[in-house]
Amino acid sequence: GEDVEQSLFLSVREGDSSVINCTYTDSSSTYLYWYKQEPGAGLQLLTYIFSNMDMKQDQRLTVLLNKKDKHLSLRIADTQTGDSAIYFCAAERTYKYIFGTGTRLKVLA
Amino acid sequence: SQTIHQWPATLVQPVGSPLSLECTVEGTSNPNLYWYRQAAGRGLQLLFYSVGIGQISSEVPQNLSASRPQDRQFILSSKKLLLSDSGFYLCAWRDRGTNEKLFFGSGTQLSVL
Repeated sequence: GEDVEQSLFLSVREGDSSVINCTYTDSSSTYLYWYKQEPGAGLQLLTYIFSNMDMKQDQRLTVLLNKKDKHLSLRIADTQTGDSAIYFCAAERTYKYIFGTGTRLKVLA
Repeated sequence: SQTIHQWPATLVQPVGSPLSLECTVEGTSNPNLYWYRQAAGRGLQLLFYSVGIGQISSEVPQNLSASRPQDRQFILSSKKLLLSDSGFYLCAWRDRGTNEKLFFGSGTQLSVL
């Protein structure tokens, strides 16, 4: 089955860029996603990318997809303290969405 | 616009007691519905999903069950809770028409004592 992996923690200084990485195993995933979870809340969809794209940019967010290596990354430009949260990547295949373990981003003032 | 409601927000239950968590979606019809569990400090585990009324797919054998009695209602149940059932339970839906975005409810924090 599909497996999605992420590093657990990332710490950056306010104003720097953050890069959160994710690897997945199922190359037939149609869409790949990034979600944000703040403490005690549900998951908020940040952005997603179709599998035939290499890059997608949405304001401060840039998603890069390397299908050959099955590697997905999320870059947050000019990281702010409000970006502190857990970030999940997810892969979709045939109705099911498989999530990684989440990366806890801590932004230092 | 579409909204998803999940309740209760917090629940404390003794071991061996029953469980019923409810989720409803408004503003769409015939959505795909999902239950996920997030254990403390861990990722999301897909528990159940449903593509239609009465159709339930179970991903992980466990102490829980799910039902979809109406098109936009999804219920997670247990007859007897275990300590290991503690966690943050999230309901989610997907519009079958657009087919790419999954939206989450606000979650239920379940503590089994």
